[in-house]
Amino acid sequence: EDQVTQSPEALRLQEGESSSLNCSYTVSGLRGLFWYRQDPGKGPEFLFTLYSAGEEKEKERLKATLTKKESFLHITAPKPEDSATYLCAVQAKSNYQLIWGAGTKLIIKP
Amino acid sequence: DVKVTQSSRYLVKRTGEKVFLECVQDMDHENMFWYRQDPGLGLRLIYFSYDVKMKEKGDIPEGYSVSREKKERFSLILESASTNQTSMYLCASSGNEQFFGPGTRLTVL
Repeated sequence: EDQVTQSPEALRLQEGESSSLNCSYTVSGLRGLFWYRQDPGKGPEFLFTLYSAGEEKEKERLKATLTKKESFLHITAPKPEDSATYLCAVQAKSNYQLIWGAGTKLIIKP
Repeated sequence: DVKVTQSSRYLVKRTGEKVFLECVQDMDHENMFWYRQDPGLGLRLIYFSYDVKMKEKGDIPEGYSVSREKKERFSLILESASTNQTSMYLCASSGNEQFFGPGTRLTVL
């Protein structure tokens, strides 16, 4: 069964304290892995797509990496405005639907 | 810039009412999706459409229907709203990536 598991559920960091969020997945034929950021009461905002193992994408303080079993979202020297829930999703080659993880709630304290 | 708009940010309806949620995208995407999001349950797919007048059930279609008469517009219909349909409703459209609207917070009393 296709599945996505994100860990930890919640992460509290001090401003400037770097860390990583994990997204483990099982899917029969990966088309793509997607990272989103969601602020409270708003729709998810697209961050990255990764298509194959070894691929990396960067945007400001965020860097996403992909292996055959998991993806990491590395956050370097985070700021309070990086506080949000980060969602991971995978798409199998066989259909249009995304399989979503439950998300990691990231809190950055000043 | 990519844009997905939803007809209302907040909506309050009574049990038994018929409810229409509208979604419009300006990216000429073929695929459109309706999700609901509830605390502890994450994003759950209600229906999606991969072309005009085409629709497919998602994971939780019961109590909902959809309409896609034009490429840019995808409507979610609650035929007879119930309290367990109180939720955040999110519309998305996609080429390769899904882009989301701002969401509609629906409360059914």
